Amino acid sequence: DVKVTQSSRYLVKRTGEKVFLECVQDMDHENMFWYRQDPGLGLRLIYFSYDVKMKEKGDIPEGYSVSREKKERFSLILESASTNQTSMYLCASSLLGGLTGELFFGEGSRLTVL
Amino acid sequence: GENVEQHPSTLSVQEGDSAVIKCTYSDSASNYFPWYKQELGKRPQLIIDIRSNVGEKKDQRIAVTLNKTAKHFSLHITETQPEDSAVYFCAASIGGGSNYKLTFGKGTLLTVNP
Repeated sequence: DVKVTQSSRYLVKRTGEKVFLECVQDMDHENMFWYRQDPGLGLRLIYFSYDVKMKEKGDIPEGYSVSREKKERFSLILESASTNQTSMYLCASSLLGGLTGELFFGEGSRLTVL
Repeated sequence: GENVEQHPSTLSVQEGDSAVIKCTYSDSASNYFPWYKQELGKRPQLIIDIRSNVGEKKDQRIAVTLNKTAKHFSLHITETQPEDSAVYFCAASIGGGSNYKLTFGKGTLLTVNP
């Protein structure tokens, strides 16, 4: 079974703090993604990566950065958290060149910025 | 970029009835259309997908249809059961599924009443 693990299920931070959300997958997947989930807005792509040290902007990258130093780990960074970044963050991975494009999601990290 | 519209946002049916969720997409180059199911408090999981060279695909009580000319695709669930209650997301991408950026619809909350 593919396992995508997000380090923190719940976080509470203050405005202006730097926030790190960590994601690790154990199936040697090339692709990794960070989505943000808000009620009524669905899943919106923040950043994705097809390879180590490679990153590409998704649809809502403003206020976020990412790091992929190792194939299994993809980190989302909020340089200066703001209240409008209060949300559920979902990490996902998928196999490049696989038979399907199935995304395997982590359980999510619910971030509250006060 | 791609835009995916999903309707309805909420759907309530009686157990045993059928449920239909519809999505439209904007980019005629999109060729991969998955559906994800997210139960309350859980991660989204792929339930069925279809590629643009196929008009319909079935898997037990679930079917997906695709109309490329009209740029819309639909999820059909027959003989609904309480465990079908969840949020369903449609998505579209260019790239055949394994090397792609998915754009999701905003989701449909399906409630199956016993």
